[in-house]
Amino acid sequence: DAGITQSPRHKVTETGTPVTLRCHQTENHRYMYWYRQDPGHGLRLIHYSYGVKDTDKGEVSDGYSVSRSKTEDFLLTLESATSSQTSVYFCAISESSGLRVTGELFFGEGSRLTVL
Amino acid sequence: KNQVEQSPQSLIILEGKNCTLQCNYTVSPFSNLRWYKQDTGRGPVSLTIMTFSENTKSNGRYTATLDADTKQSSLHITASQLSDSASYICVVSADPGGYNKLIFGAGTRLAVHP
Repeated sequence: DAGITQSPRHKVTETGTPVTLRCHQTENHRYMYWYRQDPGHGLRLIHYSYGVKDTDKGEVSDGYSVSRSKTEDFLLTLESATSSQTSVYFCAISESSGLRVTGELFFGEGSRLTVL
Repeated sequence: KNQVEQSPQSLIILEGKNCTLQCNYTVSPFSNLRWYKQDTGRGPVSLTIMTFSENTKSNGRYTATLDADTKQSSLHITASQLSDSASYICVVSADPGGYNKLIFGAGTRLAVHP
């Protein structure tokens, strides 16, 4: 199994509070991603990173920010959580070849967030 | 619009039986197609990755087929086991090498009963 650890695995919070999810990898992969998974929907990309301090938006980035200060850590922050952000969040990593990403995409175990 | 549609949405089979899951896509330009298995409460795990030139690819009891002309793929599971109970997700890459262009299907939830 790829060395990906997400924390916390479960969190319940209230509307308007800030939340930070952490993804830690031990594979030294260049690319890291945050996805959300909701019933009836495929996984949707929130943000991704292609290197330290290099990040870009995905298709559902509104209300989320990310930071990557070290190769191994990728943080997802909800500045002011809303009920629509109740979801399961998955971190993923992949190797890179130049500026392209090839090969396997490895996922963490997920973080279940409930916003009341 | 790039889309990946999977059918059926859910499926129940008896242990030992075979089953086939379908994936239709409208994604362009096509790069590759992947099948993932996701156990309940776990992250997805890759089963196969197929490029444009590959028609069939096997991984143990899992066999994926790809028809790039009709934009259809199937995942066939042979001699099902209880451990095959999971969601199976079809993922299509819309850009050569661009992971930010991955389009995920909603998945087929398979239940294998004894």
